[in-house]
Amino acid sequence: TQLLEQSPQFLSIQEGENLTVYCNSSSVFSSLQWYRQEPGEGPVLLVTVVTGGEVKKLKRLTFQFGDARKDSSLHITAAQPGDTGLYLCAGAVANAGKSTFGDGTTLTVKP
Amino acid sequence: DSGVTQTPKHLITATGQRVTLRCSPRSGDLSVYWYQQSLDQGLQFLIQYYNGEERAKGNILERFSAQQFPDLHSELNLSSLELGDSALYFCASSVGTSGGGTGELFFGEGSRLTVL
Repeated sequence: TQLLEQSPQFLSIQEGENLTVYCNSSSVFSSLQWYRQEPGEGPVLLVTVVTGGEVKKLKRLTFQFGDARKDSSLHITAAQPGDTGLYLCAGAVANAGKSTFGDGTTLTVKP
Repeated sequence: DSGVTQTPKHLITATGQRVTLRCSPRSGDLSVYWYQQSLDQGLQFLIQYYNGEERAKGNILERFSAQQFPDLHSELNLSSLELGDSALYFCASSVGTSGGGTGELFFGEGSRLTVL
């Protein structure tokens, strides 16, 4: 069974602060996705990382895939209240038929 | 807008009843996935269909069943409902059996089921 552990589970910060959330597993994934989910809505895909060591940037968000493709991190610079939400990582194995989701990090950014 | 449509958005029913949740995938996507999200368990994979055939099964209860029709829409049937079945049920779609090799899923807005 492939498990993804996300940390921290909850994070509450002030606007303008930086933060990093982590997604760790003992399994190797073909790709890893990060999603953001707001209350009452479905998860929205933010990014996919495929290559070990890959770094992708999306405005103030920086995503990194571990060299061994077992872990990933999401760094947010100068967080804003609009970044508030549940951040989920999901790992996929080619042709396995499903993605495994972590339990998520709930981020609250206070103005 | 992800392009994935789920109905109904909200559903309130009683224990022992049966409900059907409906999902229309994004145009062109052949795979449909069903996930259950409850407060204490995160997103739990239930089942996946690809072009009408079941491709993967997760922790789906025997009281639950699903199918994908020729027009690629899918239905999740939940029967003999229990209080613990109250949750958000999400449908997601992707191009291929595992997101076209990248695992990218596009989610609907979910159906919130409340069992009283």
